[in-house]
Amino acid sequence: SQQGEEDPQALSIQEGENATMNCSYKTSINNLQWYRQNSGRGLVHLILIRSNEREKHSGRLRVTLDTSKKSSSLLITASRAADTASYFCALNTGNQFYFGTGTSLTVIP
Amino acid sequence: DTAVSQTPKYLVTQMGNDKSIKCEQNLGHDTMYWYKQDSKKFLKIMFSYNNKELIINETVPNRFSPKSPDKAHLNLHINSLELGDSAVYFCASSHGIRGSTDTQYFGPGTRLTVL
Repeated sequence: SQQGEEDPQALSIQEGENATMNCSYKTSINNLQWYRQNSGRGLVHLILIRSNEREKHSGRLRVTLDTSKKSSSLLITASRAADTASYFCALNTGNQFYFGTGTSLTVIP
Repeated sequence: DTAVSQTPKYLVTQMGNDKSIKCEQNLGHDTMYWYKQDSKKFLKIMFSYNNKELIINETVPNRFSPKSPDKAHLNLHINSLELGDSAVYFCASSHGIRGSTDTQYFGPGTRLTVL
C-alpha cells in the first residue's frame, strides 16, 4: 500500500503533555503534509515538509522527516483540549496524494 | 466566506436511487478532488480534475461519474446506489496539479447513508 501508516491509531493524554504521532510510508515523496480533522468536519492543512528538509516548526507543532527510513513524526507540545482531533499524514508523490490511516488524539482537560 | 462548499451536508436515500453531490470552491484553484472516507476514517481519492479535465481516476465503479462544468465546480453523480456507498464524501481543491507543493483545502463533507 502506498498510503501512510500512522502510529498509534489512538492516543489519549492529559492537557499540557506533549503528543507524538508517527507516519511511515513505502513510496518516494516530493513532500509530506500533516492534516487535522475535527469530528464531523473536513481536513485542515497544518504543515508541509519537503523531501529535502529534516525538521520544520509551526507554533506548537514540530515535524520531522527521515527519508532514509521513510518516516515522519508530528509533535504537538503543551497540548490543549482543543487539539482533540484526528491527524493524518499525506504523501505527495508527484503523481498522487495518499493519506495515512490517521491518529485519533484525545486531550483530557 | 466559505472556501470549499459542498451540498448537501447529509444525504439519506434508498438503495438503487441516483443522487448527486455538488462542490464549489471560490479560491481560484485549478485542481479539484473527490475523496471517500469510510467508517474507519480511511481517506481514499476517487477523482481529480485540473481545469475541467480529468487527471486522476482511481479504481472507482463506473456508477460514479464526476462532472466539472468549470474549474470552480466539481460535482459527483452516483447511479444505482449501493449499501457500500455509505460514507462521507469530501471535495477538496488545490492551486496547482500533482507534483507541486500545494496544500489541499477540504470542504465540510457530505455524509451519504444508503438504506
